[in-house]
Amino acid sequence: EPEVTQTPSHQVTQMGQEVILRCVPISNHLYFYWYRQILGQKVEFLVSFYNNEISEKSEIFDDQFSVERPDGSNFTLKIRSTKLEDSAMYFCATQDSRYTFGSGTRLTVV
Amino acid sequence: GQNIDQPTEMTATEGAIVQINCTYQTSGFNGLFWYQQHAGEAPTFLSYNVLDGLEEKGRFSSFLSRSKGYSYLLLKELQMKDSASYLCAARYSGAGSYQLTFGKGTKLSVIP
Repeated sequence: EPEVTQTPSHQVTQMGQEVILRCVPISNHLYFYWYRQILGQKVEFLVSFYNNEISEKSEIFDDQFSVERPDGSNFTLKIRSTKLEDSAMYFCATQDSRYTFGSGTRLTVV
Repeated sequence: GQNIDQPTEMTATEGAIVQINCTYQTSGFNGLFWYQQHAGEAPTFLSYNVLDGLEEKGRFSSFLSRSKGYSYLLLKELQMKDSASYLCAARYSGAGSYQLTFGKGTKLSVIP
C-alpha cells in the first residue's frame, strides 16, 4: 500500500530556531495537509495545499509557518522561529478517497 | 468551529464487542472517518461513511446517521492489540478544502 513518508522522525531544536519538516506525499494524490498533535491532545488541522498553493489554513497557522512544494515531490512545513508550545507531533497527510497520514515528526523545542 | 464529541476512555474484555459513539455538528457535513491511533504513532484509516447506514469491514463496522449527527464504531471479537485510541473525524465542505476535524479520541483498553 502506498505510503506517506516523513523526515526526520524526531527533531530537537532550541527555541527561536527555524525547522523544516519534510514529507513525500503519495504520488497521484492532489491534496496535501499538515496536522499537529500536542501530547495528549487531539489532532489539529494546520493547512491544506492544492495545485501548488494554500487552499485553507487554521488559526494556528500564523506568520511563523509556511509550506512549500519545492521540487514537485517533497512537501515541506517550515516554522521560522520555534516556540516551546510548538512541541508536538506533526503529521503530513494526503488524500484521495481517504486520508493517509505519514508516520509523523516529533518536534521538541527546548 | 465544529465540535466532535466522543467518550474519553472505554474498557472492554478480550473477545467482547465494544461500541464507540461520536456526535458531530451537521451543518456543512461531508463525511465521517474513523482512525485508529496507537500511542506515538500516526492515525491509520479504519472506515469512511458518507451515506446513512452500516459499513462492515471484518471485525470493524461503522454506522452513520446524518440527520442525527451521530456515528459509531463497532469492534467485534476484541483482541489485546485493539487497545488504542479511536479517532472520530468529520469532513466539512469549506472554501476549497476538505480538511478533517478530529474529536479528542477514545482511549480503548482491552483487558484479559
